[in-house]
Amino acid sequence: GAVVSQHPSWVICKSGTSVKIECRSLDFQATTMFWYRQFPKQSLMLMATSNEGSKATYEQGVEKDKFLINHASLTLSTLTVTSAHPEDSSFYICSARQGSTLDTQYFGPGTRLTVL
Amino acid sequence: LAKTTQPISMDSYEGQEVNITCSHNNIATNDYITWYQQFPSQGPRFIIQGYKTKVTNEVASLFIPADRKSSTLSLPRVSLSDTAVYYCLVGDRAGGYNKLIFGAGTRLAVHP
Repeated sequence: GAVVSQHPSWVICKSGTSVKIECRSLDFQATTMFWYRQFPKQSLMLMATSNEGSKATYEQGVEKDKFLINHASLTLSTLTVTSAHPEDSSFYICSARQGSTLDTQYFGPGTRLTVL
Repeated sequence: LAKTTQPISMDSYEGQEVNITCSHNNIATNDYITWYQQFPSQGPRFIIQGYKTKVTNEVASLFIPADRKSSTLSLPRVSLSDTAVYYCLVGDRAGGYNKLIFGAGTRLAVHP
């Protein structure tokens, strides 16, 4: 149980285009979903927290207009990287939490974004 | 201020027991301690979670002393496939949201 999927697993795009990444909880309802990014040889950096039906809360230094997050249902959250640039190239990982009392988060497999 | 502190790296050999200790001096009363494993280009995988004393599952044990200011992940009889980065996390409720902030993790290398 507790499976989280991401789509696509990798994407290559041209500079200036927008890219959408989907995160789905397959066998549970996720009250809260999280988006992280990870650069090579570095740890995961939390970008934003999203609760179903409400606006996402972004971490300091993360541009909300550039990284659009939508959490339309209890099983789906999307991250859209708008006007992508080469410096946005990274490994994007989502996670989902079943409830609010425990800290257990289940992570997706990640999406490798390369912006040319 | 880091929430958790772990050794940056560790080395071990196949068949040995590996213990990774994590310090979390400022852990809050309601925080659980959670450990994740991450392989390159994959999302972190949940290993174990505990609140106090000892927790054991099919892959690891977690030891937490009474003061809860530290915890130790124990991996019995490691194999080459256990080479990965291991993260120790506690909750972070800043801003009213319960979230996990990753530290640097411990890079475990298992040698033949």
